[in-house]
Amino acid sequence: DGGITQSPKYLFRKEGQNVTLSCEQNLNHDAMYWYRQDPGQGLRLIYYSQIVNDFQKGDIAEGYSVSREKKESFPLTVTSAQKNPTAFYLCASTESGTSGGRYFGPGTRLTVT
Amino acid sequence: GQQLNQSPQSMFIQEGEDVSMNCTSSSIFNTWLWYKQEPGEGPVLLIALYKAGELTSNGRLTAQFGITRKDSFLNISASIPSDVGIYFCAGQLTRNQFYFGTGTSLTVIP
Repeated sequence: DGGITQSPKYLFRKEGQNVTLSCEQNLNHDAMYWYRQDPGQGLRLIYYSQIVNDFQKGDIAEGYSVSREKKESFPLTVTSAQKNPTAFYLCASTESGTSGGRYFGPGTRLTVT
Repeated sequence: GQQLNQSPQSMFIQEGEDVSMNCTSSSIFNTWLWYKQEPGEGPVLLIALYKAGELTSNGRLTAQFGITRKDSFLNISASIPSDVGIYFCAGQLTRNQFYFGTGTSLTVIP
């Protein structure tokens, strides 16, 4: 089945450590996105990538980094510079063309203590 | 980034009732989408609308793309307990101009 996978579902880290969240898609979508969602809140865009080896900052990129070495993969690193890293992280991808709907993965809940 | 205004913010309804929610923006969009998110899960795309005035159904769900292109509506008929969740609208102008609504939390009382 085609879809987006994120792993792990739950992640726990100590403050001061970097952590990398995985996102893989087999939908053959060009564009991929990372969002952050805080309890009771909407989604905020962290980073996005339209093609391999290219990515752009979203609205809240500070303290995060990404890479896009393969079309299928768009990992997100939450660095120690991110002041409030505990959140629910969602990866998404989009069909080609301007009107393609955005499809989401199941999310990773990161808790930093 | 821009955020779309959704209303109501939350709804508590009896099983079997119909539900209506809407999403408004100060900007026009080319595409309107509706998502449902259950606790601890990613949003799932329910309906996508591509043309002003378009009315599209998906089972008990019906959504409309407003004529002005600045709003959209979602109706759920004969609600059931599994309809519980948060419903988000999203407006899209280009592939990277994509904005989410503030969400409507739906609780269905059996």
